Amino acid sequence: QKEVEQNSGPLSVPEGAIASLNCTYSDRGSQSFFWYRQYSGKSPELIMSIYSNGDKEDGRFTAQLNKASQYVSLLIRDSQPSDSATYLCAVMGYSTLTFGKGTMLLVSP
Amino acid sequence: DTAVSQTPKYLVTQMGNDKSIKCEQNLGHDTMYWYKQDSKKFLKIMFSYNNKELIINETVPNRFSPKSPDKAHLNLHINSLELGDSAVYFCASSQDSGQETQYFGPGTRLLVL
Repeated sequence: QKEVEQNSGPLSVPEGAIASLNCTYSDRGSQSFFWYRQYSGKSPELIMSIYSNGDKEDGRFTAQLNKASQYVSLLIRDSQPSDSATYLCAVMGYSTLTFGKGTMLLVSP
Repeated sequence: DTAVSQTPKYLVTQMGNDKSIKCEQNLGHDTMYWYKQDSKKFLKIMFSYNNKELIINETVPNRFSPKSPDKAHLNLHINSLELGDSAVYFCASSQDSGQETQYFGPGTRLLVL
């Protein structure tokens, strides 16, 4: 059974701080890794994708991948109240995208 | 211009009824999916179709039957609805069934009474 684990939170950070979201996965053969953001009552929307070890930056977001440790993280710099949402880590195995249960992020003004 | 659309947005029905949810994507993608998100917000794959052919069928009761009339449409029919079927059902699509990003529809909120 392929698993993707996330701390459910909530993770509370003040506005302007760095939010760090973590994810571990069980399938060593996984090749693609995604972070989705889901606002309450809305559908998941892609924030970042990462395919190779190391860091990938896009604006205020940085995804980090360590395949040896089977670990993916998402850093959000200069957190804003509008970043308050549930962040879903998703891992692609052979042909199935497996989601974690999500981490709720709360950014207080 | 919505990329992945679903109808209806909300569906309230009685136990034992049969209902359908429709999904359409205008992205030109080859692969479409159905996901179920339960009350604990856990998002889980149900089915995947590539060019109208079923490629993934997770452990889902056979009361659920997907149908893909063409590669831009993937509908979900549910027979004999049960209380436990209450959830949000998301349709998604991707360029193919490989490692590409999946794009989600707005979801259909199903409540079975």
